[in-house]
Amino acid sequence: KAGVTQTPRYLIKTRGQQVTLSCSPISGHRSVSWYQQTPGQGLQFLFEYFSETQRNKGNFPGRFSGRQFSNSRSEMNVSTLELGDSALYLCASSLGRGRITEAFFGQGTRLTVV
Amino acid sequence: TQLLEQSPQFLSIQEGENLTVYCNSSSVFSSLQWYRQEPGEGPVLLVTVVTGGEVKKLKRLTFQFGDARKDSSLHITAAQPGDTGLYLCAGPGGFKTIFGAGTRLFVKA
Repeated sequence: KAGVTQTPRYLIKTRGQQVTLSCSPISGHRSVSWYQQTPGQGLQFLFEYFSETQRNKGNFPGRFSGRQFSNSRSEMNVSTLELGDSALYLCASSLGRGRITEAFFGQGTRLTVV
Repeated sequence: TQLLEQSPQFLSIQEGENLTVYCNSSSVFSSLQWYRQEPGEGPVLLVTVVTGGEVKKLKRLTFQFGDARKDSSLHITAAQPGDTGLYLCAGPGGFKTIFGAGTRLFVKA
């Protein structure tokens, strides 16, 4: 079955702009989580959506937002971009319930803010 | 707060050597996963361990879950350059997956 698809793979934006990233989870998976990864900080949790509801949120400013659609596809938006937002943004899908919570990642979107 | 601590942070070895990396917590986890991530790519799931004391093998990789389900180890036998990457352990924490900071492995030919 198809894996997790993230688009676009690469983005270059200017400070102050906004950006929307997209994630299509594995078919049947209802949970989508977003992570920011930078060389110095590792994987930082942004938020998790399950059946269109945000269940959990990390410690990021309100400029970072997301949503999930009825088909489980998710989007993440960052407004008023800052240089420090440059990172690899990863989306992970999982069943979202049960004792075993295996997450399957997309290839990520590399965002560069100049 | 559940935390996963991985050690060592960085490891550089010669091809053919053996190595072990560790993932420790003060909390009990119902399961732990190990991932490998190559530069510029998303992490790829290697294995999930569920039962205390469980040992799983994946070719030259051996994964062990501690008896108390608070720690796990990954042992690589006869490392190869293709094993180079960031190894992450992860476990469930509420409605999110908790990740360790990772062990960055570099295997020199």
